[in-house]
Amino acid sequence: NAGVMQNPRHLVRRRGQEARLRCSPMKGHSHVYWYRQLPEEGLKFMVYLQKENIIDESGMPKERFSAEFPKEGPSILRIQQVVRGDSAAYFCASSLDRAGETQYFGPGTRLLVL
Amino acid sequence: AQTVTQSQPEMSVQEAETVTLSCTYDTSESDYYLFWYKQPPSRQMILVIRQEAYKQQNATENRFSVNFQKAAKSFSLKISDSQLGDAAMYFCAYRSESGAGSYQLTFGKGTKLSVIP
Repeated sequence: NAGVMQNPRHLVRRRGQEARLRCSPMKGHSHVYWYRQLPEEGLKFMVYLQKENIIDESGMPKERFSAEFPKEGPSILRIQQVVRGDSAAYFCASSLDRAGETQYFGPGTRLLVL
Repeated sequence: AQTVTQSQPEMSVQEAETVTLSCTYDTSESDYYLFWYKQPPSRQMILVIRQEAYKQQNATENRFSVNFQKAAKSFSLKISDSQLGDAAMYFCAYRSESGAGSYQLTFGKGTKLSVIP
């Protein structure tokens, strides 16, 4: 059973460009979480999605960040007009169900904004 | 809001010895899960062990075990017979089971474990 897939693994963008990060959950998992890890920090929750629904986006910055999880295809975290402070590792996790289920993490996408 | 505190930024252990990593948390809830994740230099997040708060028995996974003290809100990780491959950042994490939230994980800042040959 393939694990959580994320791509790209590394992404370099210049200030003002857009970044698109993709996450394919484990087979059979319909719950996706996005977390951000700044250097020397723990992971911070950003958003929780189910298929076609954003359940909780309380950790998302109010501007420039958006996420989706369409009926078909991967979940996408989109960052518009990136700034240097967006440089971080972005992790996706998936779970089979919500209650009582462990979240399994992907390998992360390292975003570097020049 | 829940908080997770890991008071040891760095720890070291001799190969084959035992080490304990500390974690405390703050919550007003009675139902929750606690986790330890390992992040090696590859930066992949790997689940090490999990504990349900309603279970009094401490979880164990091979060389990894926890000491869960619910009243003290403490959740330490013990690694026995340490191996070179155990060297990594270790994160303690909390997840509510109240049903009101999204079951997001709240992480501590991590403890960097070095294993000395």
